[in-house]
Amino acid sequence: DAGVTQSPTHLIKTRGQQVTLRCSPKSGHDTVSWYQQALGQGPQFIFQYYEEEERQRGNFPDRFSGHQFPNYSSELNVNALLLGDSALYLCASSVPPGSGGYTFGSGTRLTVV
Amino acid sequence: GENVEQHPSTLSVQEGDSAVIKCTYSDSASNYFPWYKQELGKGPQLIIDIRSNVGEKKDQRIAVTLNKTAKHFSLHITETQPEDSAVYFCAAPFRDDKIIFGKGTRLHILP
Repeated sequence: DAGVTQSPTHLIKTRGQQVTLRCSPKSGHDTVSWYQQALGQGPQFIFQYYEEEERQRGNFPDRFSGHQFPNYSSELNVNALLLGDSALYLCASSVPPGSGGYTFGSGTRLTVV
Repeated sequence: GENVEQHPSTLSVQEGDSAVIKCTYSDSASNYFPWYKQELGKGPQLIIDIRSNVGEKKDQRIAVTLNKTAKHFSLHITETQPEDSAVYFCAAPFRDDKIIFGKGTRLHILP
């Protein structure tokens, strides 16, 4: 049973560019949450998707947007990249919203130069 | 506000001794308290969780205790082993939908 799959694993972008990160949830999970983890910090909640809609959002600017597809997979888009966006981006899946027991992927390491 | 505080930030224990990590949360409605272990280059992995209807839960060498009145919960690892070295995160849900994490505890198991 495949767990949460994220792609790509590593990415280098230039300031001002746009990036799209992808996540496939664990089989049977329908809720996807995205987190940003800076070096040495705990994961910070970006937003959560359920039934193809954004249900909750953390304290992140509108440059961060997302999407969930009918097969429950999800994308995280970041526009106008800043140096401070460099971090590990984690995707977690669960069922149903609020049940906890998140399963995390290994993350995408984004470096903005 | 939404806050989970975790202490200590770094913890070194001798192999075979016990380790305790403590967290407090701010939302009295929180009813689920997971603990995650993160190894280098990997995403966090759920190691144990507890719901608000119980005060303690054990799984082999790992236990979690919950004091809902004080809004405290703790992770206890007994008979520590080298493979326990990692970063541990506590977490709690806010408004049921989003899990907020503590800042993490880096646990070093000394030989």
